[in-house]
Amino acid sequence: NAGVTQTPKFRILKIGQSMTLQCTQDMNHNYMYWYRQDPGMGLKLIYYSVGAGITDKGEVPNGYNVSRSTTEDFPLRLELAAPSQTSVYFCASRESGVVSDTQYFGPGTRLTVL
Amino acid sequence: QKEVEQDPGPLSVPEGAIVSLNCTYSNSAFQYFMWYRQYSRKGPELLMYTYSSGNKEDGRFTAQVDKSSKYISLFIRDSQPSDSATYLCAMSGPNTGNQFYFGTGTSLTVIP
Repeated sequence: NAGVTQTPKFRILKIGQSMTLQCTQDMNHNYMYWYRQDPGMGLKLIYYSVGAGITDKGEVPNGYNVSRSTTEDFPLRLELAAPSQTSVYFCASRESGVVSDTQYFGPGTRLTVL
Repeated sequence: QKEVEQDPGPLSVPEGAIVSLNCTYSNSAFQYFMWYRQYSRKGPELLMYTYSSGNKEDGRFTAQVDKSSKYISLFIRDSQPSDSATYLCAMSGPNTGNQFYFGTGTSLTVIP
């Protein structure tokens, strides 16, 4: 299993440009999450999905959009990029059971907006 | 008050030392407790998870949960330079929505 994969690894955007961060998981997990991580600030939840066709906002959704058309894929769309969106973005999928509840993270996308 | 509090460090120890990393939390509904290890410029990697209270051991790593004190710990025995990383605690519960609550991470350096 590849687990959670993310593309691209790095990207530089100009202010006002748009892009889509890709995330794919091969563990057949229903739940998927997008976080951003800024230095010293921990992980902040942007959006999450509980299954195909169902998404919900997290703590910092402004400036982002998501869709979930399949179990495997959960892309994050940035519209009109701003310098405040410079961050490292992590996608995660969740494995939930009776005595366990864990998330598995992708390697991240490092985004710079200039 | 934050849901999860974690001392950011940095923590620097000599090789072979016992390391203790801790988190406190405020929500008594949390039942699942995790520790993640994050190397520089990498994604968080699940290190250990525990359900409810008690201890769990895996090699040099021991996770402890004290629900009465709302306090969790990760102990690393015989620390190695390869343990140098940021350690994040995380928690969730059946009645806390679909979100996980993360500490901000403790940066650990093990000096050879």
